[in-house]
Amino acid sequence: SYELTQPPSVSVSPGQTATITCSGDELGNKYTYWYQQKPDQSPVLVIYQDSKRPSGIPERFSGSNSGNTATLTISGTQAMDEADYYCQTWDDSISYVFGSGTKVTV
Amino acid sequence: EVQLVESGGGLIQPGGSLRLSCAASGFTISSNYMSWVRQAPGKGPEWVSVLYGGGRTRHADSVKGRFTISRDNSRNSLHLQMNSLRAEDTAVYYCASLPPVPTGDLSSRWHYFDNWGRGTLVTVSS
Repeated sequence: SYELTQPPSVSVSPGQTATITCSGDELGNKYTYWYQQKPDQSPVLVIYQDSKRPSGIPERFSGSNSGNTATLTISGTQAMDEADYYCQTWDDSISYVFGSGTKVTV
Repeated sequence: EVQLVESGGGLIQPGGSLRLSCAASGFTISSNYMSWVRQAPGKGPEWVSVLYGGGRTRHADSVKGRFTISRDNSRNSLHLQMNSLRAEDTAVYYCASLPPVPTGDLSSRWHYFDNWGRGTLVTVSS
């Protein structure tokens, strides 16, 4: 089965840059999506199609995807960005797969 | 504004059945792919089932043969019939919509979840 691997935790100081990686076999050949989930809330889409931001998502969130690794970057991290982040991908053979999740502590 | 409201969760014994519902507003579910995603306590999300345009369905291997996704266009609602429930099915079940797919576009770029409900908790325990 296909797996997406994320670091369990990332710690960042306010105003600094947080980098969250998501690794999977030939992930760069698929689209990657990112979700933010705060305690007791539903996941919220923050990046789609590798690098696009949905309406209402701050510009400090950005994404990239190449080779075997997709990356979510939070520039100028704020306290409100403290949450769990999950990557997700799809293709017809594996269907929908979520990453293991990364807890971002600010 | 898109809203998804789940209902039907609860405590059920192993081997039992439960039917979840998702009431949608702000869009027509027959125009979108729709899905169920679950999240066990302390774990990440796990995709469960998807209903594509035209009525084609797909289920995760972990629920195949036990769960069935369907929709009621007249009520603009999505359902998940869950049979032969097991302890490992215990989770919050989210209803999620996928973005509208342009006619004839079979690419992979549309396979993500752009709106989520608040979820309904299913607990399978004796």
